[in-house]
Amino acid sequence: DIQMTQSPSSLSASAGDRVTMTCRASQGIANSLAWYQQKPGKAPKLLVYAASSLESGVPSRFSGSGSGTDYTLTISSLQPEDLASYYCQQYYITPYTFGQGTKLEIK
Amino acid sequence: QVQLVQSGAEVKKPGASVKVSCKTSAYIFTTYHMHWVRQAPGHGFEWMGIINPSAGSTSYAQKFQGRVSMTTDTPTSTVYLELTSLRSEDTAVYYCASGHVVGASLASWGQGTLVTVSS
Repeated sequence: DIQMTQSPSSLSASAGDRVTMTCRASQGIANSLAWYQQKPGKAPKLLVYAASSLESGVPSRFSGSGSGTDYTLTISSLQPEDLASYYCQQYYITPYTFGQGTKLEIK
Repeated sequence: QVQLVQSGAEVKKPGASVKVSCKTSAYIFTTYHMHWVRQAPGHGFEWMGIINPSAGSTSYAQKFQGRVSMTTDTPTSTVYLELTSLRSEDTAVYYCASGHVVGASLASWGQGTLVTVSS
């Protein structure tokens, strides 16, 4: 199975900050990478697919980048409502696998 | 907005089976593949498998082979997940999710169904 490793596991930032989190795959996944946002007690929400394509309705402050094995999710200007956990997922090869998540806290 | 509505919470004893339903629209049912994913406390997300509702074809994660079954009911646009021989480690929130128009990212999710396995 492809292992997905996210870093950091948690981070704290202030409103307006630029925030970056990373996801590394144990082998190349050809941009078959999605990012999800999960707020406490809620189902995940798709933010980015195909590594860098923004899902419809997602604010433009979210962006994804990367290639090969290394991928990044960036929030350009952190908003209070971005308090959540963020997960990456590879869908290159089954079983599709997820990272362990990055928990984002607002200072 | 795609709507996936799942059945309610379940409490089961070890060794029992559970069947979770996920109802959607006829359009989603006939257009997109449906996935099942679970989230256990402290264990993150696990992808369990995928079903093509139109064809009835399935692909399961090897970890669940022999214990999992994904089925559909076309008249009601409902997909089902059945997990047998339950053990305490199966305690989790189970989600259905529809595939994306591009690739196999999970575009829309049900609200989740908590399955608790306890004696």
